[in-house]
Amino acid sequence: EVQLVESGGGLVQPGGSLRLPCEASGFTFSSYAMSWVRQAPGKGLEWVSTISASGGSTFYANSVKGRFTISRDNSRNTLYVQMNSLRAEDTAVYYCARKSQSSSNFDYWGQGTLVTVSS
Amino acid sequence: DIQMTQSPSTLSASVGDRVTITCRASQSISNSLAWYQQKPGKAPKLLIYKASSLESGVPSRFSGSGSGTEFTLTINSLQPDDFATYYCQLYNDYYRTFGQGTRVEIK
Repeated sequence: EVQLVESGGGLVQPGGSLRLPCEASGFTFSSYAMSWVRQAPGKGLEWVSTISASGGSTFYANSVKGRFTISRDNSRNTLYVQMNSLRAEDTAVYYCARKSQSSSNFDYWGQGTLVTVSS
Repeated sequence: DIQMTQSPSTLSASVGDRVTITCRASQSISNSLAWYQQKPGKAPKLLIYKASSLESGVPSRFSGSGSGTEFTLTINSLQPDDFATYYCQLYNDYYRTFGQGTRVEIK
């Protein structure tokens, strides 16, 4: 069974940093591109970042470029996002998602972890 | 950047109704469109990809159509489990853009 489990969310002050891990199981993690998608409270979905299966290519939304870094450790089956210079508008539930090889879309998602940026 | 606009924002319907949600792209995206369903407090679920291909395990009452700039998601014979928020999503290589969502509520 495919499982994605995010952790690491919490309250952080504006300007602060946080790293979120997403542990994957039930599939060959190193064969799939992975992404982060976020959802501000009561708002819609926003794609944040994607990393290729090997980790050699990364892509970011303009809203986080230069502040967030996506990475992965294929030996640990874990996806990460390092979030720096956090702003109030980064407050959201952060989901990790697997990019399907057949449809190129997000076929499995984690349960999400809430990041709150506030003083 | 390509913008995705969904309509309506909210839709009131009854069990058994046929429901149609529209998604418009600010420029042609061929058929690079997906639809997701999200229930409160849950992660989204992929329903449709490539504008009209049904994801495995998704009931056949869901269908998608369109190409270019205008797309539709149709739910035939709305079921109680279908009351949720639906998002369209453009995909382009590794980049993704979501529409703002359409909430389907009970009439």
